Amino acid sequence: AQRVTQPEKLLSVFKGAPVELKCNYSYSGSPELFWYVQYSRQRLQLLLRHISRESIKGFTADLNKGETSFHLKKPFAQEEDSAMYYCALRSYGQNFVFGPGTRLSVLP
Amino acid sequence: GAGVSQSPRYKVAKRGQDVALRCDPISGHVSLFWYQQALGQGPEFLTYFQNEAQLDKSGLPSDRFFAERPEGSVSTLKIQRTQQEDSAVYLCASSDNGGSYEQYFGPGTRLTVT
Repeated sequence: AQRVTQPEKLLSVFKGAPVELKCNYSYSGSPELFWYVQYSRQRLQLLLRHISRESIKGFTADLNKGETSFHLKKPFAQEEDSAMYYCALRSYGQNFVFGPGTRLSVLP
Repeated sequence: GAGVSQSPRYKVAKRGQDVALRCDPISGHVSLFWYQQALGQGPEFLTYFQNEAQLDKSGLPSDRFFAERPEGSVSTLKIQRTQQEDSAVYLCASSDNGGSYEQYFGPGTRLTVT
């Protein structure tokens, strides 16, 4: 069965420190992975997807099929990065599986 | 431009009541998704429409849940004989099917069953 795990419910870092939000998945096919973000009082929105291999707001994520991971990284965290982050997997068709989310808190 | 809208934003229902939740997707978006998000959890897929066709309803938790999108635009999620475990935020999202799979989410409807 398809599954996405995010082991940290809460991650606190100081401003300027590196941040890594972990995501692991289980899927038998060729996965498509996404990171979604929800800022306070805002809607869930797409942050980045692995097929684009892009950097958004300084965040990057690399798909590691050997480790079945898609960790989200940023070298220098900013206070405005504080939000809920969800890793998601597109399985068959348009069936999306979301992880439980990690709340990132960037301290001043 | 207008994003995805959902109504009502909040709904309190007594156990056993029927509820109807509405989603207005972004104009022209072909795909429409419904998710259920329990407190402290990520969104859980319920069902997916492409235009008016419901192509996947594998996530609907029971036959009390029913969704429709008769004209390929507005969608309604109906829950019959609500139970306390139905209390959650119900999210709607739409996508233009341009191959990017980017989903645009609505603000959600918070359903509380008492």
